[in-house]
Amino acid sequence: NAGVTQTPKFRILKIGQSMTLQCAQDMNHNYMYWYRQDPGMGLKLIYYSVGAGITDKGEVPNGYNVSRSTTEDFPLRLELAAPSQTSVYFCASSSSPSWEQYFGPGTRLTVT
Amino acid sequence: RKEVEQDPGPFNVPEGATVAFNCTYSNSASQSFFWYRQDCRKEPKLLMSVYSSGNEDGRFTAQLNRASQYISLLIRDSKLSDSATYLCVVNKRSNYQLIWGAGTKLIIKP
Repeated sequence: NAGVTQTPKFRILKIGQSMTLQCAQDMNHNYMYWYRQDPGMGLKLIYYSVGAGITDKGEVPNGYNVSRSTTEDFPLRLELAAPSQTSVYFCASSSSPSWEQYFGPGTRLTVT
Repeated sequence: RKEVEQDPGPFNVPEGATVAFNCTYSNSASQSFFWYRQDCRKEPKLLMSVYSSGNEDGRFTAQLNRASQYISLLIRDSKLSDSATYLCVVNKRSNYQLIWGAGTKLIIKP
């Protein structure tokens, strides 16, 4: 099984550009999550989804958007990139909100 | 006060030693607790869940103290491969979100 996959692995954006981070899982998990991790900090939840068509904001949603049209895919959209969005972005999925979360390998994003 | 607090370390420990670290949480209604391991520049991976009665998995033992609102992780006979950052994770009962600690860095020295 591929588990959770993310693309791209690395990306450099200029201020004001937009991009979509892709995330897919093949475990048929209903719950999916987007986190960001800044150096020396814990993971911060950006958005999460409890199933296809249902998304909700996490702790730090400003500057981001998500959609969940299928169980498998949960893309994260960055609009008008800012230097404060420089971070490592992890996508995760789980079969239940209180059970183990499986993570993708992350996307390292730099905004300059 | 942070919702989940951990000593950032690093803990420098000789191979074969026993090491323990704690994590405190602020929400007394939290029900689920986990320890994840994160290697440098990699994604977090579940090390173990923490149950009310405590649990053990090989060299690793996790304990929960609800009265004092902390969880602990004990590693016995530490190996070089145990070098990593250990993340404490607690659920936010109200909306099922998980709150992540910033992690404790462990370095095992030969």
